[in-house]
Amino acid sequence: EIVLTQSPATLSLSPGEKATLSCRTSQSVNRYLVWYQQKPGQAPRLLIYDASNRATGIPARFSGSGSGTDFTLTISSLEPEDYAVYYCQHRSSWPLTFGGGTKVEIK
Amino acid sequence: QVQLVESGGGVVQPGRSLRLSCGASGFTFNNYGMHWVRQAPGKGLEWVAASLYDGNNKRYADSVMGRFAISRDNSKNTLYLQMNSLRFEDTAIYYCAKSGRDYGDFHWFDSWGQGALVTVSS
Repeated sequence: EIVLTQSPATLSLSPGEKATLSCRTSQSVNRYLVWYQQKPGQAPRLLIYDASNRATGIPARFSGSGSGTDFTLTISSLEPEDYAVYYCQHRSSWPLTFGGGTKVEIK
Repeated sequence: QVQLVESGGGVVQPGRSLRLSCGASGFTFNNYGMHWVRQAPGKGLEWVAASLYDGNNKRYADSVMGRFAISRDNSKNTLYLQMNSLRFEDTAIYYCAKSGRDYGDFHWFDSWGQGALVTVSS
């Protein structure tokens, strides 16, 4: 099983600031890495698939990068609606696994 | 647009069984892989099971292997999760999720249901 480690656990930032979230995998997943956003009481929402492809309707301020074992989700300028928990997931092999999440909170 | 609606959640005693359903609409159901993902209260996401697009291949997380069974009825556009020998640690919201592209192994989840709460309690 591939283990995904997200850091930091919590990120405290002000609106307009840049957010940089990390996801590291225990073995290479090539570029098969996905990012989701989840707000309280809601289902997750797909942001990025295969490391850097924005999903339909996702604003350009969200971007993903990385390959192999190190990946980054960047939010260029935080909007009020971006405060949420972010999860990474790999699709390289079975079983599929998720990271533990990074909470982006208002500073 | 794509819609996924789970049903069948509830409170069940340890060792008992429960079956979840997920009704799908807005896409060609039989062309897509479908998944169950769960989230224990206050915890992160855990992938549970997959029914691949061909309808024959299924995959499970180790934590539910041998206890849970995923199935689908393409004529009814419905996905199922039969959960047997339930344990306290199976308590979670269970989400139905659709694979990102038709055919192939595109196992990212571009649409999710609202979730069904399963509580295992004595």
